[in-house]
Amino acid sequence: EVQLLESGGGFVQPGGSLRLSCAASGFILRNYDMSWVRQAPGKGPEWVSASGGSGDSQDYADSVKGRFTISRDNSKNTLYLQMNSLRAEDTAVYYCVKLSKYGDSGYWGQGTLVTVSS
Amino acid sequence: DIQMTQSPSSLSASVGDRVTITCRASQGIKNNLGWYQQKPGKVPKRLIFGASNLQSGVPSRFSGSGSGTDFTLTISSLQPEDFATYYCLQHNAYPLTFGGGTWVDIK
Repeated sequence: EVQLLESGGGFVQPGGSLRLSCAASGFILRNYDMSWVRQAPGKGPEWVSASGGSGDSQDYADSVKGRFTISRDNSKNTLYLQMNSLRAEDTAVYYCVKLSKYGDSGYWGQGTLVTVSS
Repeated sequence: DIQMTQSPSSLSASVGDRVTITCRASQGIKNNLGWYQQKPGKVPKRLIFGASNLQSGVPSRFSGSGSGTDFTLTISSLQPEDFATYYCLQHNAYPLTFGGGTWVDIK
């Protein structure tokens, strides 16, 4: 059974940093491209970033480019999202999703809440 | 970037009604589209993949159609548990994009 478990969310001041983790189980992470998707309060989902299976390719939404970095440790079956220079508009639930331009598996984690506020 | 224009943004319907939601892509995306249902405080749940394939476990009253730029989600007979927000998602190219959502509520 595929499971995606996010962690690392929390409260941070504007300009601060957080690193999110996603522990994947039930499949071999290196065989799949993965994405982070976020959803701000009362808004629709927004794709944030994707990582190629081997970790050698990354894609980003314009809204986070240059501030966020996606990475993975396939030996630990874990996906990461390093978020720097956080802004109030980054406040959202962040989901780890088995999703890419190569396919949508429909598997989402439960999400982790990031709140950016002074 | 591929824009996904979803309509309507909201609708009111009665139990038993037939409901249709559409998504139009700003460029062709073949059949690389999914439909999701989301209830308040819950994770989005996929209903349809590949534009027209029903996700396992999803009731057969849900169906999807379309290819290229125009897509439709149909609920043949609305049930009380279907009142929710629905989103389309294109996964043909980065950036992946969602439709703006359709909130289906009780008339």
